[in-house]
Amino acid sequence: KAGVTQTPRYLIKTRGQQVTLSCSPISGHRSVSWYQQTPGQGLQFLFEYFSETQRNKGNFPGRFSGRQFSNSRSEMNVSTLELGDSALYLCASSLVGDTDTQYFGPGTRLTVL
Amino acid sequence: AQSVTQPDIHITVSEGASLELRCNYSYGATPYLFWYVQSPGQGLQLLLKYFSGDTLVQGIKGFEAEFKRSQSSFNLRKPSVHWSDAAEYFCAVGPTGGGNKLTFGTGTQLKVEL
Repeated sequence: KAGVTQTPRYLIKTRGQQVTLSCSPISGHRSVSWYQQTPGQGLQFLFEYFSETQRNKGNFPGRFSGRQFSNSRSEMNVSTLELGDSALYLCASSLVGDTDTQYFGPGTRLTVL
Repeated sequence: AQSVTQPDIHITVSEGASLELRCNYSYGATPYLFWYVQSPGQGLQLLLKYFSGDTLVQGIKGFEAEFKRSQSSFNLRKPSVHWSDAAEYFCAVGPTGGGNKLTFGTGTQLKVEL
């Protein structure tokens, strides 16, 4: 089975722009979670989608949003980018959606200039 | 609120030596516990997990971890470290119901000396 795929792998944006990141879960997985990883804050939970519904949300501003499609693929969007949004954004998928094992993708490295 | 503490930011061991990475958690009930490993520029790979049952769990790459409720710990061990084990290791705790939010520790960077 193919693993979790994330596109693009690298992205450079400037302050004030917006960005959309994509995540394709493992086939059959219905839960997709997003995490932000930075040297200063570590790994922080952004949100989780299950069956196209946001089920959990972390403590991030409203500039961070996401959605899930009927095929379980997910996108996250960050509007009005700030320098502090530079991070590795990791997507994880799981089979059942209720504290099942999460499998992570390679991440998207976002750099905001 | 749940939390995870990894007291060691950096650990250096010689190849062939044993390894123990510490993890302490704070959670009201019996947690779901995980260890992940991250190589530079990569995502997270699951090493092992504890949900219930036997408190000693075996994982991939020769790793094991022991859940000790009395100490709120879930330490990761390996009897003989290989140079390829050099990476960053994260302990995480998950909720026991209602979603997949993981709370991660700050990670332990493992260096292996040849």
